[in-house]
Amino acid sequence: GENVEQHPSTLSVQEGDSAVIKCTYSDSASNYFPWYKQELGKGPQLIIDIRSNVGEKKDQRIAVTLNKTAKHFSLHITETQPEDSAVYFCAASKGGGSYIPTFGRGTSLIVHP
Amino acid sequence: NAGVTQTPKFRILKIGQSMTLQCTQDMNHNYMYWYRQDPGMGLKLIYYSVGAGITDKGEVPNGYNVSRSTTEDFPLRLELAAPSQTSVYFCASSSEGNEQFFGPGTRLTVL
Repeated sequence: GENVEQHPSTLSVQEGDSAVIKCTYSDSASNYFPWYKQELGKGPQLIIDIRSNVGEKKDQRIAVTLNKTAKHFSLHITETQPEDSAVYFCAASKGGGSYIPTFGRGTSLIVHP
Repeated sequence: NAGVTQTPKFRILKIGQSMTLQCTQDMNHNYMYWYRQDPGMGLKLIYYSVGAGITDKGEVPNGYNVSRSTTEDFPLRLELAAPSQTSVYFCASSSEGNEQFFGPGTRLTVL
């Protein structure tokens, strides 16, 4: 089955710095790669996603890049703010009736004011 | 749309008791999931369903049961609760190949 590795497990940055979280996956048939943000005491919520026919996607301060050859994808947050502090999860899945996503173990991002 | 709703929000059980965690979605999603999240840890899939009448085991199904009689509801049943089932439980739903929508979670303590 699919295996998703996520690094780092903890990331501490100063407000205004950039943050990068990286994930690798094992199943070359995976074609959907979402990123979720989980704030304390809440359920995860999608912040950005990318499909295998796209190499990069941006939404304001957040971007995701995908390298299908190397089987890795990354989340980039620029100009970090204290409200970006949360746990971030990556996931990978494939369609065709087998859409059961595999999650990474999560990255705790701490943004210091 | 209310999205995904879960009840109760909190529950304390004694060892050996049983309970049902309720989950309802109003987005007409075929896929529904139950996860557990232990403190400081990631999400572990307990059970999932790809449509009404169809359920399947995830990574950690022991001690749990589910049913999916309607598209909207996906209850999770705990029989003979054990301290190892102390966790936060999240229900989620999705359409095929798209983002998951998570509920607010149920925090369960077994003493």
